[in-house]
Amino acid sequence: QKEVEQDPGPLSVPEGAIVSLNCTYSNSAFQYFMWYRQYSRKGPELLMYTYSSGNKEDGRFTAQVDKSSKYISLFIRDSQPSDSATYLCAMSAADSWGKLQFGAGTQVVVTP
Amino acid sequence: DGGITQSPKYLFRKEGQNVTLSCEQNLNHDAMYWYRQDPGQGLRLIYYSQIVNDFQKGDIAEGYSVSREKKESFPLTVTSAQKNPTAFYLCASIKTGVPEAFFGQGTRLTVV
Repeated sequence: QKEVEQDPGPLSVPEGAIVSLNCTYSNSAFQYFMWYRQYSRKGPELLMYTYSSGNKEDGRFTAQVDKSSKYISLFIRDSQPSDSATYLCAMSAADSWGKLQFGAGTQVVVTP
Repeated sequence: DGGITQSPKYLFRKEGQNVTLSCEQNLNHDAMYWYRQDPGQGLRLIYYSQIVNDFQKGDIAEGYSVSREKKESFPLTVTSAQKNPTAFYLCASIKTGVPEAFFGQGTRLTVV
């Protein structure tokens, strides 16, 4: 079983809808949680970073961490066609903070 | 502008050859990482280095080698011992203590 599970999609939504993405994990030592966006044939770029539990909001993006359920989420409000990309969750433990464990990525398609 | 530069963008290798992928960063980050990305599998850690002249194996180090002679540079050699090298390779760097990885634009390696 992988340490981080993420539905690969594709997830297709109409423009303006809310995109809901999530990952589950098995390692209770994970403390750092990140979401990356990756366009085709490009390197990932960091979208959101959260330490421990709670919510974090940045513009149209909201990240949630529920450590009791070992579940993290990313919500994209008012989705745009430019949000079409693969979204990767990543996480690491405090004693190995640089060793990120990635989910497989969810492909999102926002249709005009 | 600070960032991570990977070269070349595309690389073709004949079977039995070693090839070296370049990764340079001017972010003054201490830690650097090499990941391999295959379709549907997310990113897998090959090697990482947290200080100059020191590096550790990641989850899939067999058939790969690295060096870290300068803080700015972390080249990856894909040796002939790597039986399935065709993949997208990503280099990343992280500032010490802050697990936010910055990625290069990747090198796509194809065996011909």
